[in-house]
Amino acid sequence: SQTIHQWPATLVQPVGSPLSLECTVEGTSNPNLYWYRQAAGRGLQLLFYSVGIGQISSEVPQNLSASRPQDRQFILSSKKLLLSDSGFYLCAWGRGQGVAETQYFGPGTRLLVL
Amino acid sequence: GENVEQHPSTLSVQEGDSAVIKCTYSDSASNYFPWYKQELGKRPQLIIDIRSNVGEKKDQRIAVTLNKTAKHFSLHITETQPEDSAVYFCAARKRSSGSARQLTFGSGTQLTVLP
Repeated sequence: SQTIHQWPATLVQPVGSPLSLECTVEGTSNPNLYWYRQAAGRGLQLLFYSVGIGQISSEVPQNLSASRPQDRQFILSSKKLLLSDSGFYLCAWGRGQGVAETQYFGPGTRLLVL
Repeated sequence: GENVEQHPSTLSVQEGDSAVIKCTYSDSASNYFPWYKQELGKRPQLIIDIRSNVGEKKDQRIAVTLNKTAKHFSLHITETQPEDSAVYFCAARKRSSGSARQLTFGSGTQLTVLP
């Protein structure tokens, strides 16, 4: 069966520090991968998605970036964190092909920027 | 782009009553509508979804209805239980020429089931 992992689970970082969040998927190959951010008490905002190694699309301009160095690894990064980057970061993978795709979320990383 | 509106933002019901959450979408090209349940501090979990070629889908106490003409869809929970208390999100996805399947989410409904 397929599983999705994220780490770290929680992170407290000072403003201006770098960031690296990792997401990995097991039990499938060539999945579509997605990064979402959820601010406290808010909905989910799609940040990036990837359909393959090295292929990244950005939905919202910001100081974050994403990379996909391996088929089942998706990384979210920042060179300098802002206070507004605080939130719950969720990675998701798409199971199925085309219109049949269903997205499943990882456990998330809670980020607090101070 | 797609815009999804969700109402109400909060909903309280007595245990055993029904709960209905409604969403509207803007892009008539949308063809897939999932619902997620998120308990406090946890990840969103898919509970039910519907595609545009179907008007209604039911899974035990949960059902979703879709009105393509009016561009709205609803989640119905019957015989609510305290463990149904959570935030519920609707989402919409439009047909895409690429292989990625971006979802646009509603703002969420905090459902509280009172014992």
